[in-house]
Amino acid sequence: QVQLVESGGGVVQPGGSLRLSCTASGFAFMSYGMYWVRQAPGKGLEWVAFIRFDGSYEYYADSVKGRFTISRDNSKNTVYLQMSSLTTEDTAVYYCAKDWFYESGHYLDYWGQGTLVTVSS
Amino acid sequence: DIQMTQSPSSLSASVGDRVTITCRASQGITNYLAWYQQIPGNVPKLLIFDTSTLQSGVPSRFSGSGSGTDFTLTISSLQPEDVATYYCQSYNSGTWTFGQGTKVEIK
Repeated sequence: QVQLVESGGGVVQPGGSLRLSCTASGFAFMSYGMYWVRQAPGKGLEWVAFIRFDGSYEYYADSVKGRFTISRDNSKNTVYLQMSSLTTEDTAVYYCAKDWFYESGHYLDYWGQGTLVTVSS
Repeated sequence: DIQMTQSPSSLSASVGDRVTITCRASQGITNYLAWYQQIPGNVPKLLIFDTSTLQSGVPSRFSGSGSGTDFTLTISSLQPEDVATYYCQSYNSGTWTFGQGTKVEIK
């Protein structure tokens, strides 16, 4: 069965950096795009970043562009999110998710349990 | 950027009621529209993709419809286990956008 396990969350000071990891199993990781999506406490879902199956394309939400970098290591079945210049607005549970590509549309069919990032002094 | 606006923000209905949630896009998005269910304390779950295609294992009381800018999620007969927040999600040229969510409760 598909499993996505995030790690790397924690408390970081404003202006600091953090790297999240998501290790996948149960599917052909190298054949699927991957996402990071976040959810601030008590708020809705916000798409953060997407990386193509082969790492050749990356897309970012405007709110994180230039500060966050998504990457992947297909030999380790792992996708990463490098976050820098963090602000309190980045406090959220960060989920990784697997892409489901259908009829030219992209959807998120499996989600990890999430890792909490708290930006606070 | 495309904005996705859901209505209502919350609703309360009785078991067995027909429930409809609307999602409006700020511009046409073809059929690249999905719906997710997030039960309190759980991670989001894909219910419907490509506007109207039911994800495997999702009960048939859930259905989706729409085109262009206006889309709907319908629960034909609300069940206690459907208490959750529902989100629409669009895809357009390298941008993914979620609606703000609709919280569904039992009256």
